[in-house]
Amino acid sequence: EVQLLESGGGLVQPGGSLRLSCAASGFTFSTYAMNWVRQAPGKGLEWVSGISGSGHSTHYADSVKGRFTISRDNSKNTLDLHMKSLRDEDTAVYYCAKRAPDDAFDIWGQGTLVTVSS
Amino acid sequence: QAVLTQPSSLSASPGASASLTCTLRSGINVGTYNIYWYQQKPRSPPQYLLRYKSDSDKQQGSGVPSRFSGSKDDSANAGILLISGLQSEDEADYYCLIWHSGAWVFGTGTKVTVL
Repeated sequence: EVQLLESGGGLVQPGGSLRLSCAASGFTFSTYAMNWVRQAPGKGLEWVSGISGSGHSTHYADSVKGRFTISRDNSKNTLDLHMKSLRDEDTAVYYCAKRAPDDAFDIWGQGTLVTVSS
Repeated sequence: QAVLTQPSSLSASPGASASLTCTLRSGINVGTYNIYWYQQKPRSPPQYLLRYKSDSDKQQGSGVPSRFSGSKDDSANAGILLISGLQSEDEADYYCLIWHSGAWVFGTGTKVTVL
């Protein structure tokens, strides 16, 4: 069964840092691009970042560029999101999502909640 | 103006059809884009429904019923998700998604209520 499991969420103060992880199973991880998508409480979906299967190509939303770094370890089937200089508006549930060959985000994890508050 | 605009809500009766629009900002031509559609129920992650570019270039998500279908309205510059034979389980939020100018962009979302 194809599965994605996020971890690492929690409460962090403004200006702080946090690392999210996504453990993948049930598919050949290195073959697929991966993405992070977030959803603030009561709000819509917002794409955060994406990374190619090899890890050589990355993209970021303007709202997180320079503060967040996406990475992957294909030997461990894990996807990470390193977040620094966190702001109140970064409070959200963060989902990892697998990208299919036709670019659809076809598999999603259950999400991990990040709360930025003093 | 948002890149992708969706009506905030839509209500329909069981068994009816619901047409959800995803309007692209002026200057962005719907004809050149793959439009992806997602369904999200409360306290659950989004689920992929389908991709639509044209009648000859489309893909249904795995296990997604055929009563969910995609199309485009070129005159309105919009992508459309049609839900036929609405069921109570279709009550959810629906989002569209495109790749635009080096970033993935989600629509504002439509809350569908089945009365």
